[in-house]
Amino acid sequence: DVQMTQSPSTLSASVGDRVSITCRASQSITDWLAWYQQKPGQAPKLLIYKASTLESGVPSRFSGSGSGTEFTLTIDSLQPDDSATYYCQQYNSYSGLTFGGGTKVEIK
Amino acid sequence: QAQLVQSGGEVKKPGGSVKVSCEASGYTFTKYGLSWVRKAPGQGLVWMGWVIPHNGNTKYAQKFQERVTMTTDTSTSTAYMELRSLTADDTAVYYCARDHYDFSTGYRMDVWGQGTAVTVSS
Repeated sequence: DVQMTQSPSTLSASVGDRVSITCRASQSITDWLAWYQQKPGQAPKLLIYKASTLESGVPSRFSGSGSGTEFTLTIDSLQPDDSATYYCQQYNSYSGLTFGGGTKVEIK
Repeated sequence: QAQLVQSGGEVKKPGGSVKVSCEASGYTFTKYGLSWVRKAPGQGLVWMGWVIPHNGNTKYAQKFQERVTMTTDTSTSTAYMELRSLTADDTAVYYCARDHYDFSTGYRMDVWGQGTAVTVSS
């Protein structure tokens, strides 16, 4: 199975900061990677798919990059509403899906 | 607008089983797969498996392989997830999510249910 390792596990930043979250795959997944945002008491929300495609309606301050085994989610100009836990997810037609462990983003 | 509505919260005893439903609306049920994901308190998201409504095919994560069954009823556009041999470690919120797969645009879970809280306690 493909393992996904996210870092950092927690992140504290100020409003207006640029923050990045990294996700590493145990083997190449080309660009079959998605990012989700989850707030307490809510279902996860899709942000990015195919590593860098922004889901409709998601603010443009969110962006994704990477391919192969290393991926990054970047939030430009962090906003109070961005306080949440972020997860990466890989897709493999043989082994299925795997989520990263999550990154909790806190606003200072 | 595509929507997934799940059944209400459940309290179960250890050793029992739970069956959660997920009713789809606003899209053609048989055109997309459905995954089940759970989030236990203090832990991250865990994919449990998926079911393909148009043919009933399933794929389960190894962790749940022996005690989960995912089914669909295309006449009511409803998916079901049954988990057996429950322990306290199965206490979690269970989500269904639409699998949007396209070879050119990739895979994502683009529509989510509201979640069903399952508590396992004696």
